[in-house]
This record gives sequence, structure tokens and C-alpha cells, in this order.
Amino acid sequence: GAGVSQSPRYKVAKRGRDVALRCDSISGHVTLYWYRQTLGQGSEVLTYSQSDAQRDKSGRPSGRFSAERPERSVSTLKIQRTEQGDSAVYLCASSLRGARQETQYFGPGTRLLVL
Amino acid sequence: GQNIDQPTEMTATEGAIVQINCTYQTSGFNGLFWYQQHAGEAPTFLSYNVLDGLEEKGRFSSFLSRSKGYSYLLLKELQMKDSASYLCAVGDSNYQLIWGAGTKLIIKP
Repeated sequence: GAGVSQSPRYKVAKRGRDVALRCDSISGHVTLYWYRQTLGQGSEVLTYSQSDAQRDKSGRPSGRFSAERPERSVSTLKIQRTEQGDSAVYLCASSLRGARQETQYFGPGTRLLVL
Repeated sequence: GQNIDQPTEMTATEGAIVQINCTYQTSGFNGLFWYQQHAGEAPTFLSYNVLDGLEEKGRFSSFLSRSKGYSYLLLKELQMKDSASYLCAVGDSNYQLIWGAGTKLIIKP
């Protein structure tokens, strides 16, 4: 079956604008994660959700990042008032339950460039 | 705080063996993952360790010592296609993956 997909693959945004990134996870997976990956700094968790309950575990960057889950297998990461420091690859991942010892399946990522 | 350490870059020769180390300090432990990532692509799952010891999968092996907060990924019979970044990640008490910055492995002929 299909894996995790993300759109767009590339996004260029003007500083200060809002952007929305989409993730289509694997059907049946309960938990969906958003990560931000920057060169040389690894990945950080932005947020994750289990089913319909949204939980922001990272607490950072505060305020401007939010995720919505309009459907069970769809999530939209919204970044408000983008800053140049938001330029990164945004990875979406899903797992079956989000329980221990589970593998997360990653999408190809969205490369965001803020000018 | 939570911390994952791994070398930034390593170089090895085609056909040889290389060991990539990872040390971690996290709030809780729910397994250690190794991922391979080629430039411009998403990470690909390689291995998972939750108990101490060595897990072998073909040319790749992964070792874990929970008491030492230490793991390594061992790659044998290196091939040029193994040139990639290797990411160590630990599941914390909330089952979130805490990632290292990755080790860029360069394979030379």
C-alpha cells in the first residue's frame, strides 16, 4: 500500500507569510508526528497527535506552529509569520499506535525556504 | 536535558568495516533506532534495539548497552551506496523520538 506522502515537496515563502504543509499518513495509523530537520542540527519534534487529540510535545517554537488533523490520515502543519530560521526540511511520520517499540514511517519531507 | 551524541563525519574505504557510535542521555528509554538518510531523501529505518546486545541484519549490525547509554551501528563490506548520513534516535518516556544530528559517512574507493 501507499506510504506517507507530503505536499508540496518544495515551498518558497516570503518572510512574514503563513504557510501550510500537508501530510497524508498510512491508513490505519493512529499517531502522526511532525519533525523539523535542519542541516547539522538533527531533527526536533514539533508536534504529534494521536487520533483526533492534538498534543504539542515540543513547546517550541512557541505560538507560530500548529497542526490540524481534518481527517484521521491527514495532517496540516501551519506556520504563521514565517521567519528565515524556519527554512528547513519538515518531515511527517506516522506509526500504528504510537506505543512503545514502534517504528515511525517517514514521508519524503517538504523543503521550506523562507526569503 | 536530553542529548544524543554521534560523530559528525566519518570516512571509510569500500569493502572495509566501519562502526558509528552513539551515546545518549534521555528522560526514559523506549528503544534506540538507527536510520539511514541519503541527501534529499527521508530517513529509512535500519534497526531497533530495546534490549542489551547485538542485533544483526545482513551487512548491518546494531549494538546497545542501556547501562552505558551507548549504541553503535556496524557496517560491513562497505559499498559506495552506503555513503549517507546515519541517524541515531532514542524513544523517550513519552515515546517520542529524540534525534542525534547524524553522522555523515563518506566511502572512498
